[in-house]
Amino acid sequence: NAGVTQTPKFRILKIGQSMTLQCTQDMNHNYMYWYRQDPGMGLKLIYYSVGAGITDKGEVPNGYNVSRSTTEDFPLRLELAAPSQTSVYFCASTRQGGSAKNIQYFGAGTRLSVL
Amino acid sequence: AQSVAQPEDQVNVAEGNPLTVKCTYSVSGNPYLFWYVQYPNRGLQFLLKYITGDNLVKGSYGFEAEFNKSQTSFHLKKPSALVSDSALYFCAVRDEGSSNTGKLIFGQGTTLQVKP
Repeated sequence: NAGVTQTPKFRILKIGQSMTLQCTQDMNHNYMYWYRQDPGMGLKLIYYSVGAGITDKGEVPNGYNVSRSTTEDFPLRLELAAPSQTSVYFCASTRQGGSAKNIQYFGAGTRLSVL
Repeated sequence: AQSVAQPEDQVNVAEGNPLTVKCTYSVSGNPYLFWYVQYPNRGLQFLLKYITGDNLVKGSYGFEAEFNKSQTSFHLKKPSALVSDSALYFCAVRDEGSSNTGKLIFGQGTTLQVKP
């Protein structure tokens, strides 16, 4: 009954450090997404994937990279952390068809601070 | 351009009173509309959706939403608010160019505060 699992829950980075935010889902969903949530700004799409080996940029991709080698995993990479990347990051997934189509299921989030 | 607007940053209501959280949208075609709820330090949870059919959609936890095409609105409602309904609520619309990607466009969110 795991759904979408994100690790770590919290992280503090120094400027210029790199890290990978992990996301895995056990619902066999084709579509996966990474969002960032800033106060009063709603959710902004960073990257998304429609299946293994296929990724594309969202609204705010600069400073981030993704890969999708399996259906289950969709890691988000920050190469050179900047204070502007301080945010809460959410991973989500959805299925391609059926009655639950387009209903996105979210992980609990990763709270990242860059100092 | 397609968009979603939630005109109120915060809605305050007394427990037991009806609540409404407003959402308006702008799309060129038929909208796919969603409401999500976010409790503190948690991810978003799906409440309900409108795709087609009856304009009054019922969802989880006693919430419902009314689709109004002429007013391009999709307001979230509940007849009797509970303190436990206090949370951040997001309206979303499916990105029109994304029928094969499932992308959603989210509003900025409305904080609902229910006071005892």
